[in-house]
Amino acid sequence: AQKVTQAQTEISVVEKEDVTLDCVYETRDTTYYLFWYKQPPSGELVFLIRRNSFDEQNEISGRYSWNFQKSTSSFNFTITASQVVDSAVYFCALSELETSGSRLTFGEGTQLTVNP
Amino acid sequence: GAVVSQHPSWVICKSGTSVKIECRSLDFQATTMFWYRQFPKQSLMLMATSNEGSKATYEQGVEKDKFLINHASLTLSTLTVTSAHPEDSSFYICSAMIPASGRPSSYEQYFGPGTRLTVT
Repeated sequence: AQKVTQAQTEISVVEKEDVTLDCVYETRDTTYYLFWYKQPPSGELVFLIRRNSFDEQNEISGRYSWNFQKSTSSFNFTITASQVVDSAVYFCALSELETSGSRLTFGEGTQLTVNP
Repeated sequence: GAVVSQHPSWVICKSGTSVKIECRSLDFQATTMFWYRQFPKQSLMLMATSNEGSKATYEQGVEKDKFLINHASLTLSTLTVTSAHPEDSSFYICSAMIPASGRPSSYEQYFGPGTRLTVT
């Protein structure tokens, strides 16, 4: 069965610090997708990135970057030069195409607080 | 991008009453929608998969007679919480699935803004 683990429950940093959110997943499928979502206090999920299992290239989007390592089953997310507006809960999620269609399994989330 | 709406955004009801939550895909048709529940400071848990024109598929531990799902059209799925009790108070989120352009067998999920249910 699929599983997503976000070991960091809460992280607190000071503005302009870099911060990395960890995500480790378990799956038996060879074809799967990994996601990161941001959930601000309003509750609405904001899509950040989707990565398929065959693409291990790291990606950078502005201050955000993602490190996908199949060898360690990890998909970590780094925010560079954090800002107060980055404060939110961040979820990592897994979608197995072969065994569970496009159903998403979410990690427990990491509450990020960026202090001024 | 694709937009999914939910109505109402929040609702307060008395114990024992039923509440209906709507999930609409505004600019696309979705054969499959998902319903999630999120308790405070917890993750999203999938409740059921809603398929247009057929019965919903419920996750283990979710009572299908309590959480009625109807997906009568390609743009609307409804979740009815029947005989609601305080323990049903939660944040309910739907998502709609559409094929990803240019990617065979790949789908995108778009989430609604959520509905906060409080049962008193």
